[in-house]
Amino acid sequence: GAGVSQSPSNKVTEKGKDVELRCDPISGHTALYWYRQSLGQGLEFLIYFQGNSAPDKSGLPSDRFSAERTGGSVSTLTIQRTQQEDSAVYLCASSLASADYSYEQYFGPGTRLTVT
Amino acid sequence: AQSVTQLDSHVSVSEGTPVLLRCNYSSSYSPSLFWYVQHPNKGLQLLLKYTSAATLVKGINGFEAEFKKSETSFHLTKPSAHMSDAAEYFCVVSDKGSYIPTFGRGTSLIVHP
Repeated sequence: GAGVSQSPSNKVTEKGKDVELRCDPISGHTALYWYRQSLGQGLEFLIYFQGNSAPDKSGLPSDRFSAERTGGSVSTLTIQRTQQEDSAVYLCASSLASADYSYEQYFGPGTRLTVT
Repeated sequence: AQSVTQLDSHVSVSEGTPVLLRCNYSSSYSPSLFWYVQHPNKGLQLLLKYTSAATLVKGINGFEAEFKKSETSFHLTKPSAHMSDAAEYFCVVSDKGSYIPTFGRGTSLIVHP
Protein backbone atom coordinates (compact mmCIF):
# COMPACT_ATOMS: atom_id res chain seq x y z
CA GLY A 1 0.00 0.00 0.00
CA ALA A 2 0.93 3.66 -0.19
CA GLY A 3 3.34 4.92 2.39
CA VAL A 4 3.85 8.41 3.81
CA SER A 5 4.57 10.93 1.11
CA GLN A 6 6.07 14.40 1.40
CA SER A 7 6.34 17.25 -1.03
CA PRO A 8 8.38 18.87 -2.31
CA SER A 9 11.36 16.55 -2.00
CA ASN A 10 13.70 19.52 -2.26
CA LYS A 11 13.09 23.21 -1.70
CA VAL A 12 15.55 26.05 -2.14
CA THR A 13 14.35 29.42 -0.93
CA GLU A 14 15.76 32.82 -0.22
CA LYS A 15 16.15 34.08 3.31
CA GLY A 16 13.01 35.89 4.42
CA LYS A 17 10.60 33.97 2.18
CA ASP A 18 7.80 31.74 3.49
CA VAL A 19 7.70 28.02 2.69
CA GLU A 20 5.07 25.30 2.99
CA LEU A 21 5.93 21.64 3.39
CA ARG A 22 3.30 18.99 2.86
CA CYS A 23 2.80 15.54 4.36
CA ASP A 24 0.33 12.86 3.26
CA PRO A 25 0.13 10.18 5.96
CA ILE A 26 -0.94 6.59 5.59
CA SER A 27 -4.71 6.33 5.35
CA GLY A 28 -6.28 5.60 8.73
CA HIS A 29 -3.31 6.75 10.78
CA THR A 30 -4.64 9.17 13.37
CA ALA A 31 -1.27 10.33 14.69
CA LEU A 32 1.08 12.51 12.66
CA TYR A 33 4.49 13.87 13.61
CA TRP A 34 6.91 16.43 12.23
CA TYR A 35 10.64 16.24 12.91
CA ARG A 36 13.63 18.24 11.82
CA GLN A 37 17.01 16.68 11.07
CA SER A 38 19.99 18.92 10.58
CA LEU A 39 23.10 17.67 8.80
CA GLY A 40 24.66 14.84 10.79
CA GLN A 41 22.27 15.32 13.68
CA GLY A 42 19.52 13.25 15.24
CA LEU A 43 15.82 13.93 15.04
CA GLU A 44 14.37 17.06 16.61
CA PHE A 45 10.68 16.72 17.50
CA LEU A 46 8.59 19.63 16.25
CA ILE A 47 4.89 18.85 16.64
CA TYR A 48 2.42 16.01 17.05
CA PHE A 49 -1.16 15.78 15.78
CA GLN A 50 -3.90 13.50 17.05
CA GLY A 51 -6.59 13.80 14.41
CA ASN A 52 -6.74 17.49 13.54
CA SER A 53 -5.64 18.78 16.91
CA ALA A 54 -2.09 19.33 18.10
CA PRO A 55 -1.83 18.43 21.80
CA ASP A 56 1.90 19.04 21.79
CA LYS A 57 3.51 21.95 19.99
CA SER A 58 6.41 22.16 22.39
CA GLY A 59 9.05 21.42 19.79
CA LEU A 60 8.31 24.27 17.43
CA PRO A 61 11.51 26.37 17.49
CA SER A 62 9.88 29.78 17.18
CA ASP A 63 6.63 31.53 16.30
CA ARG A 64 7.78 31.52 12.66
CA PHE A 65 6.86 27.83 12.59
CA SER A 66 3.26 26.65 12.40
CA ALA A 67 1.47 23.52 11.30
CA GLU A 68 -2.03 22.40 10.60
CA ARG A 69 -3.78 19.19 9.73
CA THR A 70 -7.11 19.01 7.94
CA GLY A 71 -9.60 16.18 7.62
CA GLY A 72 -7.45 14.04 9.87
CA SER A 73 -5.16 13.51 6.92
CA VAL A 74 -2.88 15.94 5.11
CA SER A 75 -0.64 18.19 7.16
CA THR A 76 1.21 21.35 6.22
CA LEU A 77 4.23 22.77 8.04
CA THR A 78 4.74 26.45 7.34
CA ILE A 79 7.90 28.38 8.03
CA GLN A 80 7.59 32.15 7.76
CA ARG A 81 10.49 34.53 7.11
CA THR A 82 12.93 31.67 6.66
CA GLN A 83 16.42 31.94 8.12
CA GLN A 84 19.57 30.08 7.15
CA GLU A 85 19.43 28.05 10.35
CA ASP A 86 16.12 26.60 9.13
CA SER A 87 18.04 24.63 6.50
CA ALA A 88 17.51 20.95 7.31
CA VAL A 89 15.58 17.86 6.29
CA TYR A 90 12.01 17.92 7.54
CA LEU A 91 10.59 14.48 8.18
CA CYS A 92 6.97 13.51 8.63
CA ALA A 93 5.77 10.29 10.24
CA SER A 94 2.38 8.76 10.91
CA SER A 95 1.13 5.96 13.11
CA LEU A 96 -1.93 4.41 14.62
CA ALA A 97 -2.54 5.74 18.11
CA SER A 98 -3.66 4.08 21.27
CA ALA A 99 -3.47 4.83 24.97
CA ASP A 100 -2.56 1.22 25.65
CA TYR A 101 -0.08 0.39 22.92
CA SER A 102 2.82 2.15 21.27
CA TYR A 103 2.64 1.67 17.55
CA GLU A 104 5.60 2.10 15.28
CA GLN A 105 5.94 5.20 13.15
CA TYR A 106 6.08 5.19 9.37
CA PHE A 107 8.31 7.88 7.94
CA GLY A 108 8.18 9.79 4.70
CA PRO A 109 11.30 10.42 2.61
CA GLY A 110 11.61 13.97 3.89
CA THR A 111 11.82 17.46 2.40
CA ARG A 112 15.30 18.94 2.13
CA LEU A 113 15.03 22.68 2.74
CA THR A 114 17.90 24.96 1.82
CA VAL A 115 17.72 28.65 2.72
CA THR A 116 20.15 30.81 0.79
CA ALA B 1 9.48 10.03 32.09
CA GLN B 2 11.23 8.35 29.21
CA SER B 3 14.71 8.80 27.85
CA VAL B 4 17.17 6.87 25.71
CA THR B 5 20.94 6.89 25.39
CA GLN B 6 22.85 5.45 22.48
CA LEU B 7 26.25 4.79 23.89
CA ASP B 8 28.25 5.10 20.68
CA SER B 9 27.98 7.85 18.08
CA HIS B 10 30.00 5.77 15.59
CA VAL B 11 30.68 2.04 15.28
CA SER B 12 33.12 0.70 12.72
CA VAL B 13 33.23 -3.00 11.75
CA SER B 14 34.62 -5.12 8.97
CA GLU B 15 32.30 -6.90 6.58
CA GLY B 16 31.44 -10.36 7.92
CA THR B 17 32.10 -9.50 11.58
CA PRO B 18 29.44 -9.09 14.28
CA VAL B 19 27.63 -5.83 14.90
CA LEU B 20 26.70 -4.46 18.33
CA LEU B 21 24.91 -1.13 18.71
CA ARG B 22 24.21 -0.23 22.32
CA CYS B 23 21.12 1.43 23.72
CA ASN B 24 20.10 2.13 27.31
CA TYR B 25 16.72 3.51 28.22
CA SER B 26 14.81 5.00 31.11
CA SER B 27 11.09 4.51 31.45
CA SER B 28 8.37 4.95 34.04
CA TYR B 29 6.81 1.61 33.21
CA SER B 30 5.90 -0.80 30.39
CA PRO B 31 8.08 0.69 27.69
CA SER B 32 7.91 -0.10 24.03
CA LEU B 33 11.29 -0.02 22.32
CA PHE B 34 12.16 0.32 18.67
CA TRP B 35 15.17 0.37 16.40
CA TYR B 36 15.00 2.34 13.15
CA VAL B 37 17.53 2.51 10.34
CA GLN B 38 18.17 5.47 8.06
CA HIS B 39 20.18 4.99 4.90
CA PRO B 40 21.76 8.09 3.34
CA ASN B 41 19.20 10.54 1.97
CA LYS B 42 16.31 8.28 2.96
CA GLY B 43 13.58 8.32 5.58
CA LEU B 44 13.62 6.07 8.63
CA GLN B 45 12.58 2.44 8.40
CA LEU B 46 11.55 0.20 11.30
CA LEU B 47 14.04 -2.61 11.98
CA LEU B 48 12.30 -4.20 14.95
CA LYS B 49 10.19 -3.47 18.01
CA TYR B 50 9.67 -4.75 21.54
CA THR B 51 6.21 -4.44 23.08
CA SER B 52 6.27 -6.69 26.18
CA ALA B 53 6.08 -10.01 24.37
CA ALA B 54 9.26 -12.06 23.82
CA THR B 55 12.37 -10.34 25.16
CA LEU B 56 14.45 -11.44 22.16
CA VAL B 57 13.13 -9.65 19.14
CA LYS B 58 14.02 -10.51 15.57
CA GLY B 59 13.84 -7.89 12.88
CA ILE B 60 14.54 -7.44 9.23
CA ASN B 61 17.86 -8.07 7.50
CA GLY B 62 19.14 -10.42 10.19
CA PHE B 63 19.10 -7.90 13.05
CA GLU B 64 17.87 -8.75 16.51
CA ALA B 65 17.69 -7.06 19.89
CA GLU B 66 17.25 -8.28 23.44
CA PHE B 67 15.20 -6.42 26.05
CA LYS B 68 16.96 -6.63 29.42
CA LYS B 69 14.89 -4.97 32.09
CA SER B 70 17.47 -5.43 34.85
CA GLU B 71 20.06 -3.61 32.77
CA THR B 72 17.59 -1.20 31.12
CA SER B 73 19.19 -2.06 27.81
CA PHE B 74 17.99 -2.87 24.30
CA HIS B 75 21.14 -3.52 22.29
CA LEU B 76 20.97 -4.24 18.57
CA THR B 77 23.05 -7.08 17.14
CA LYS B 78 23.74 -8.85 13.88
CA PRO B 79 26.03 -11.88 13.49
CA SER B 80 27.65 -10.78 10.26
CA ALA B 81 27.78 -7.28 8.82
CA HIS B 82 27.14 -6.54 5.17
CA MET B 83 28.25 -3.46 3.28
CA SER B 84 24.58 -2.57 2.81
CA ASP B 85 24.19 -2.27 6.62
CA ALA B 86 26.16 0.99 6.60
CA ALA B 87 23.61 3.54 7.83
CA GLU B 88 22.42 5.55 10.83
CA TYR B 89 20.58 3.61 13.52
CA PHE B 90 18.16 5.11 16.04
CA CYS B 91 16.96 3.57 19.29
CA VAL B 92 13.52 4.79 20.41
CA VAL B 93 11.55 4.42 23.65
CA SER B 94 7.88 5.05 24.27
CA ASP B 95 6.15 4.66 27.63
CA LYS B 96 2.76 2.99 27.67
CA GLY B 97 0.24 5.69 26.92
CA SER B 98 2.83 8.10 25.57
CA TYR B 99 2.01 9.32 22.09
CA ILE B 100 5.38 10.93 21.56
CA PRO B 101 8.35 8.55 21.43
CA THR B 102 11.84 9.67 22.41
CA PHE B 103 14.65 9.15 19.91
CA GLY B 104 18.28 8.52 20.69
CA ARG B 105 20.88 10.66 18.98
CA GLY B 106 21.76 7.88 16.57
CA THR B 107 24.72 5.59 15.91
CA SER B 108 26.48 5.68 12.58
CA LEU B 109 27.49 2.17 11.48
CA ILE B 110 30.49 2.06 9.17
CA VAL B 111 31.26 -1.20 7.40
CA HIS B 112 34.70 -1.73 5.91
CA PRO B 113 35.34 -4.20 3.09
